[in-house]
Amino acid sequence: DGGITQSPKYLFRKEGQNVTLSCEQNLNHDAMYWYRQDPGQGLRLIYYSQIVNDFQKGDIAEGYSVSREKKESFPLTVTSAQKNPTAFYLCASTATGATGQPQHFGDGTRLSIL
Amino acid sequence: GENVEQHPSTLSVQEGDSAVIKCTYSDSASNYFPWYKQELGKGPQLIIDIRSNVGEKKDQRIAVTLNKTAKHFSLHITETQPEDSAVYFCAASRGDDKIIFGKGTRLHILP
Repeated sequence: DGGITQSPKYLFRKEGQNVTLSCEQNLNHDAMYWYRQDPGQGLRLIYYSQIVNDFQKGDIAEGYSVSREKKESFPLTVTSAQKNPTAFYLCASTATGATGQPQHFGDGTRLSIL
Repeated sequence: GENVEQHPSTLSVQEGDSAVIKCTYSDSASNYFPWYKQELGKGPQLIIDIRSNVGEKKDQRIAVTLNKTAKHFSLHITETQPEDSAVYFCAASRGDDKIIFGKGTRLHILP
């Protein structure tokens, strides 16, 4: 079945440590996204990529980094510069199109601080 | 940029009654409006969407209406069931691959 796989489901970070969240899709979608979700908040865009080897900052990119070396993969690194990383992280993908396309989401990674 | 306001933040309805969630958007160029349902510990799932050339769309117990002049759109769930309990998000897009989400509505279906 086609879909988006995020791993791990739970992740713990120590102070000063970088951690990387995995996102893989087999939907042959061009565009991929990372969102952060905090309790009672909507989804806030961290980074997005519309094509391989290219990506753009979203609304809250500080303290995060991404890469897009393959169409299927869009890993997110939460760096030590992100002082409040505890949140639920969601990856999504969409087929590109001029008239808007629905985003398909993975089941998220919950990141906590040790 | 686009801003999407969603109300109410929490909604409780008796099983079998109807639920309505309302959203407004600010960018008149927005032309695509999806609705997502998120269950606990899961990612959001698309339940229905509407484009700006349509005023209403229905899929079984779920319907969405769009008023372009007023820049608001609504989700209607009829004959609510326990499995409808979840968080619902509205969103708006100009078709440039970025989607702006509302802050969500937590829907409780009471027995």
